[in-house]
Amino acid sequence: QVQLVQSGAEVKKPGASVKLSCRASGFSFTAYYMHWLRQAPGQGPEWMGWINPNSGDTSYAQRFQGRVTMTRDTSISTAYMELTRLTSDDTAIYFCARDRLFYDVWGQGTTVTVS
Amino acid sequence: EIVLTQSPGTLSLSPGERATLSCRASQSVSGGYLAWYQQKPGQGPRLLIYDASNRVAGIPDRFRGSGSGTDFTLTINRLEPEDFAVYYCQQYGNAPRTFGQGTKVEIK
Repeated sequence: QVQLVQSGAEVKKPGASVKLSCRASGFSFTAYYMHWLRQAPGQGPEWMGWINPNSGDTSYAQRFQGRVTMTRDTSISTAYMELTRLTSDDTAIYFCARDRLFYDVWGQGTTVTVS
Repeated sequence: EIVLTQSPGTLSLSPGERATLSCRASQSVSGGYLAWYQQKPGQGPRLLIYDASNRVAGIPDRFRGSGSGTDFTLTINRLEPEDFAVYYCQQYGNAPRTFGQGTKVEIK
């Protein structure tokens, strides 16, 4: 079935980097942009950016510019999101989501704890 | 960017009752491009409604979206036990896409 499966929980020290993965199955990986969002406790989701899996083109939210990098490996239908210079404010659940302007398929989320 | 304000923050209702959730935008949402999501603990959001009023296939017809411009509403008729969750609105008519802070529908 159509699904996005994300990598497991991460615990990082302040100043470290984290790289998360999102594997797509059940649909053509290169046919849809992939977005990354995060959700802090008790908050709504926050958009971080997107990657076009076909071309590798990316666009990032201004607040993450310089700290975030989104990549993909089309051979294994997987998108990646790396966030550097982590602080406690980056503690959140990170989601990948398939783009149709709205988000119709979401990963299960990856909890990142910075402490 | 467009700020979406959802109200109320929490709605305490009993099964069988009707829930009315509001989502107000700080400026007009272009094209009425607004979606509603349901989120349960430990899960990613689930898309319910897109383009303000179109229900996703498989979503029960007790979920109804309406509105345009700056004011949007999600109505859930005859609440079922599985409907108690947090609901978010999201606009995708203007960049960047933004979400509301959520309305929690809890059992009274």
